[in-house]
Amino acid sequence: QVQLQESGPGLVKPSETLSLTCTVSGGSVSSGNHYWSWIRQPPGKGLEWIAYLYYSGSTTYNPSLKSRVTISVDTSKSQFSLKLSSVTTADTAVYYCARVPDSYYYAMDVWGQGTTVTVSS
Amino acid sequence: SVLTQPPSVSAAPGQRVTISCSGSRSNIGNNYVSWYQQLPGAAPKLLIYDNNKRPSEIPDRFSGSKSGTSATLGITGLQTGDEADYYCGTWDSSLSAVVFGGGTKLTVL
Repeated sequence: QVQLQESGPGLVKPSETLSLTCTVSGGSVSSGNHYWSWIRQPPGKGLEWIAYLYYSGSTTYNPSLKSRVTISVDTSKSQFSLKLSSVTTADTAVYYCARVPDSYYYAMDVWGQGTTVTVSS
Repeated sequence: SVLTQPPSVSAAPGQRVTISCSGSRSNIGNNYVSWYQQLPGAAPKLLIYDNNKRPSEIPDRFSGSKSGTSATLGITGLQTGDEADYYCGTWDSSLSAVVFGGGTKLTVL
């Protein structure tokens, strides 16, 4: 059974870059049948989609975040990563990674437990 | 949010409840809808994809439908364990982004 686990610093200073990694276990990030995604949830608020990634490196970003976001994949480690630059307090959120079967039309069927990132000096 | 959901709904155990999700032609009107359940302190869980399909582990108490630019999640035989936040989501062709509703808090009285 596929499991996803987010990891990275829980505290980031304003104007710095937030970096998170999602490790895929029980399956492969190189699966041609899936995309991989990042989603975030500010405290007490709803879900916000950040980006999609295919194992080939193909990416799709939320236009509202595109100028600050980079996602990448490391197939040798079965990991994919998120970098969000120039963070502000508005970027404080729980960050989730998730799997998207290519037959599910943008629906995320497996989620990581989430990691809380606080932006504060 | 691009998709509009009622902030809260409530019903008694054993009863049926529906949660609506309203959008536009650029999102729900021309794309498939998914639904997620988020229990307190947990990650979201996929309940419905492609408007009305259930992952194998989701009981048939949960159902989804779509008509025009609106979608509906139905839950029958309500249990106290169903108390959670529920989110709809879809692709928005105009925004070129996945969009979610603001979430609906279900209370089982």
